[in-house]
Amino acid sequence: DTGVSQDPRHKITKRGQNVTFRCDPISEHNRLYWYRQTLGQGPEFLTYFQNEAQLEKSRLLSDRFSAERPKGSFSTLEIQRTEQGDSAMYLCASSNTRDRGSYEQYFGPGTRLTVT
Amino acid sequence: DQQVKQNSPSLSVQEGRISILNCDYTNSMFDYFLWYKKYPAEGPTFLISISSIKDKNEDGRFTVFLNKSAKHLSLHIVPSQPGDSAVYFCAASAFGNTGKLIFGQGTTLQVKP
Repeated sequence: DTGVSQDPRHKITKRGQNVTFRCDPISEHNRLYWYRQTLGQGPEFLTYFQNEAQLEKSRLLSDRFSAERPKGSFSTLEIQRTEQGDSAMYLCASSNTRDRGSYEQYFGPGTRLTVT
Repeated sequence: DQQVKQNSPSLSVQEGRISILNCDYTNSMFDYFLWYKKYPAEGPTFLISISSIKDKNEDGRFTVFLNKSAKHLSLHIVPSQPGDSAVYFCAASAFGNTGKLIFGQGTTLQVKP
């Protein structure tokens, strides 16, 4: 399977703990995106990378959130001092923007975070 | 500020009939539109897209129509099948933007046998 993978699929943590999620994009894709989805809503953009450079962050991404893509391949999203409001599905997507006009992003299965 | 809106939370159709899912947007800078399908406990799956230079794109049973003057797009599924039952999201992206997607709230489609 050469799709986007995410780990873990589920995470339950207590309020105040730190959590880290991993995303492995499709291998030839240069862009990697993080989104968050809450119940009844569509995915909301958090941040994205082109290769290893983080090029945009949403205002939704508070200073408790940090994302990295150190070698331009996999990415991690860390949430420090988790709050109950952080409970959501965290989705990773990747795309290949070397193809002109190609905007299709391919999503992973997501990491379901529950903060108790 | 909801820039992409799907005003119908749910839709129910009979197998074999046409399903029409609608989406409205407000940002004139959007120039690329996509539809995704999502099953429970899975990530969204890309279905079909359309550039703003076109008004129709077809792929098998799926057709997307874009009306730029009305800032409206729709997804037609013909014929509908029970396996099409899922949540459908429309999404938009702006030229010169990063390609980040702005999603609607989703419409749950149920296709009854």
